Amino acid sequence: EAGVAQSPRYKIIEKRQSVAFWCNPISGHATLYWYQQILGQGPKLLIQFQNNGVVDDSQLPKDRFSAERLKGVDSTLKIQPAKLEDSAVYLCASSLVGSQGNYGYTFGSGTRLTVV
Amino acid sequence: AQKITQTQPGMFVQEKEAVTLDCTYDTSDPSYGLFWYKQPSSGEMIFLIYQGSYDQQNATEGRYSLNFQKARKSANLVISASQLGDSAMYFCAAQTGGGNKLTFGTGTQLKVEL
Repeated sequence: EAGVAQSPRYKIIEKRQSVAFWCNPISGHATLYWYQQILGQGPKLLIQFQNNGVVDDSQLPKDRFSAERLKGVDSTLKIQPAKLEDSAVYLCASSLVGSQGNYGYTFGSGTRLTVV
Repeated sequence: AQKITQTQPGMFVQEKEAVTLDCTYDTSDPSYGLFWYKQPSSGEMIFLIYQGSYDQQNATEGRYSLNFQKARKSANLVISASQLGDSAMYFCAAQTGGGNKLTFGTGTQLKVEL
């Protein structure tokens, strides 16, 4: 089965510019997640969708970050304007719906963002 | 809120030997799940093993086993017969509160040597 697809793989932008990342989850996975992984740290959840509704965005810096999942399939994460501290790997993951357990929790290869 | 602690920033092991990567967790939820992921230098997160808090037996998946000690709140990963391809960053994560969100530790960098 195809995995979680993310693009671009790498992105370098200047501070104050905007950037967008795209994610296509595994077919049939209703739940989609965006994680931010800063160098030397574990991933941190930014936002979780179930179908096209937001389940958890408590750690999303809403003044500059936005995300959408139109039609409940693929998703985009946007940063505007970017700051130096946004340099990180942005990981998308998807899973089947379930209260707990693995449920096919699968990560994409990530987008490595460098803000200069 | 849950917290995951991985106290070993780096570990070395010789090929074909077993290695244990430590993980402790802190949660007040009676129901939770524990995960281990492998992250090679290429960046993807590869699922290794899952343990539910009510599972009676320790989880095993091929060369990976999870040493689950509920009273101590520890969930150590044991890799048997290490291979060069096991060199990577390893993350422990917890899932609590009835949701699917994962909280990760800071990771352990494992290096397998000849």
